[in-house]
Amino acid sequence: KQEVTQIPAALSVPEGENLVLNCSFTDSAIYNLQWFRQDPGKGLTSLLLIQSSQREQTSGRLNASLDKSSGRSTLYIAASQPGDSATYLCAAQNRDDKIIFGKGTRLHILP
Amino acid sequence: GAVVSQHPSWVICKSGTSVKIECRSLDFQATTMFWYRQFPKQSLMLMATSNEGSKATYEQGVEKDKFLINHASLTLSTLTVTSAHPEDSSFYICSARDMAGWYFGNGTRLTVT
Repeated sequence: KQEVTQIPAALSVPEGENLVLNCSFTDSAIYNLQWFRQDPGKGLTSLLLIQSSQREQTSGRLNASLDKSSGRSTLYIAASQPGDSATYLCAAQNRDDKIIFGKGTRLHILP
Repeated sequence: GAVVSQHPSWVICKSGTSVKIECRSLDFQATTMFWYRQFPKQSLMLMATSNEGSKATYEQGVEKDKFLINHASLTLSTLTVTSAHPEDSSFYICSARDMAGWYFGNGTRLTVT
């Protein structure tokens, strides 16, 4: 059974710093891995999708990596801004089409 | 990109009543949709897989008689919370897939008083 773990559960950093969010999954036979952003009381915004055959994806200040062999993914945020404050969710899609989410990392960027 | 519309965005109901939540894929057809539930400060937990034209598949621990799912067409799945209780208060989100990937609705905040 796939389990997704995110570390840390919460993180506060000063504005302008670079930061890394970690995600690990127990079953490496994933179809893809996706990072989402969720603002309080809101739905999900897809940030980056990494197919199982890929090792990383980039979008603006965001870079996500995938290492299937070790069951890990990281989300790198460069030059953080207060608007980046949100909960970031990692989700692994299994080959049975189910998407399993981690508990998220609550990020707070200090102005 | 593809859009998944979820309605209503929030609802307050009295204990014992039933509430229906709709999930629509606006510009694509979805044979499969997923329903998730999220408690405060928790992650999304998969409740069930909704299959067009057939019965939904429920995850372990989810009461199928309480959470009725109907996937009547390729663009619409509904989740009905029957005889709602305060402990059913939660954030419910649906997702649907097209050829490019998965898309999520904006969620429904259910409060049962």
